[in-house]
Amino acid sequence: DAGVTQSPTHLIKTRGQQVTLRCSPKSGHDTVSWYQQALGQGPQFIFQYYEEEERQRGNFPDRFSGHQFPNYSSELNVNALLLGDSALYLCASSFAQSSSYEQYFGPGTRLTVT
Amino acid sequence: KNEVEQSPQNLTAQEGEFITINCSYSVGISALHWLQQHPGGGIVSLFMLSSGKKKHGRLIATINIQEKHSSLHITASHPRDSAVYICAVIPYNNNDMRFGAGTRLTVKP
Repeated sequence: DAGVTQSPTHLIKTRGQQVTLRCSPKSGHDTVSWYQQALGQGPQFIFQYYEEEERQRGNFPDRFSGHQFPNYSSELNVNALLLGDSALYLCASSFAQSSSYEQYFGPGTRLTVT
Repeated sequence: KNEVEQSPQNLTAQEGEFITINCSYSVGISALHWLQQHPGGGIVSLFMLSSGKKKHGRLIATINIQEKHSSLHITASHPRDSAVYICAVIPYNNNDMRFGAGTRLTVKP
């Protein structure tokens, strides 16, 4: 049973470019949350997807958008990249009907913007 | 002020020492997680608590809901315990997770 997977592992982009990060949830999970972790800081919630819709959003600009597919996998898109977008992007999956609040994290995608 | 505060920020211990990491939060919560993050970034969930105490091997986590405080203890620490430990809470009626800044633990042989 594969856990949460993310791709790519590492990515280098230039300011102004656009990037797409991908996440496949743990088998049986239907909810995907995305987090941004800057160096030396705790993760910050970007948004959560459930039933192919954005269910909740953190304090991130509209340059950050996402999508969830019918197979529950998800994409995070960031437009007009800024140097400050350099971070580790983490994806976590969960099962919406579970009462346990358990989330499983992927290994992350490290994005460097130059 | 962050909703989730951890202390200490950095902790260095000798192998075998008893370790305590503290977490205080300011919001009502449904649950609290203790997470471990190794260099390279992957995060592993150690515990999820909504009350009382949980134990897994050398790790013990406690929570006091009234005082909005949780502690993570490591008994007989080992160099392989070296990692960043992060406290995270799930607020009431919310779907997101709020994180502390993490405690960087280094255990020396």
